[in-house]
Amino acid sequence: AQKVTQAQTEISVVEKEDVTLDCVYETRDTTYYLFWYKQPPSGELVFLIRRNSFDEQNEISGRYSWNFQKSTSSFNFTITASQVVDSAVYFCALTSPLTTQGGSEKLVFGKGMKLTVNP
Amino acid sequence: DVKVTQSSRYLVKRTGEKVFLECVQDMDHENMFWYRQDPGLGLRLIYFSYDVKMKEKGDIPEGYSVSREKKERFSLILESASTNQTSMYLCASSFGGSYNEQFFGPGTRLTVL
Repeated sequence: AQKVTQAQTEISVVEKEDVTLDCVYETRDTTYYLFWYKQPPSGELVFLIRRNSFDEQNEISGRYSWNFQKSTSSFNFTITASQVVDSAVYFCALTSPLTTQGGSEKLVFGKGMKLTVNP
Repeated sequence: DVKVTQSSRYLVKRTGEKVFLECVQDMDHENMFWYRQDPGLGLRLIYFSYDVKMKEKGDIPEGYSVSREKKERFSLILESASTNQTSMYLCASSFGGSYNEQFFGPGTRLTVL
């Protein structure tokens, strides 16, 4: 069975601090995809990044960076110099072609981590 | 831009009522999904659909049904609402293929009294 664990449920930081959100996954599939989504207070989940299992390159996008390590089954997300607008719930998710049922792809989500950035 | 809209942001219903939650997407996505989100439980998949008139049960389908008569519209139906169905309901859509991200609607917060 596929599983995503976000051990931290809630983190509170002060603006400009760096913060890392942990994500550990379990899958027996060799081909899989990992995602991070952001859910701001408005409620709508927003896609941030996708990474496939064959691409272990880390990625940086502005203040956001992602560290994918197959050896530890982790896909951690770091926000550098956090800002108040980063306050949201962040979800890590996993899917693979083998989880398909009838052609549709199921995402397995972690329980989410609430980040509060205080001014 | 992809847009997923849901018929209501907030809804209050009474126990036993039949409730319809509507979701519409404008990007010709094959897949559509209904989730519910509860504190401490994250997102749980209720039903999904990979084509018109096709549907598959997710992880928690009990007490729910769905309808997809047109590609752009996916409806979630609570046949007889109960208080334990008070929750945030999120609709999503995506192109086929597990590598494709899902696009989410703003959610409907349903309260069943």
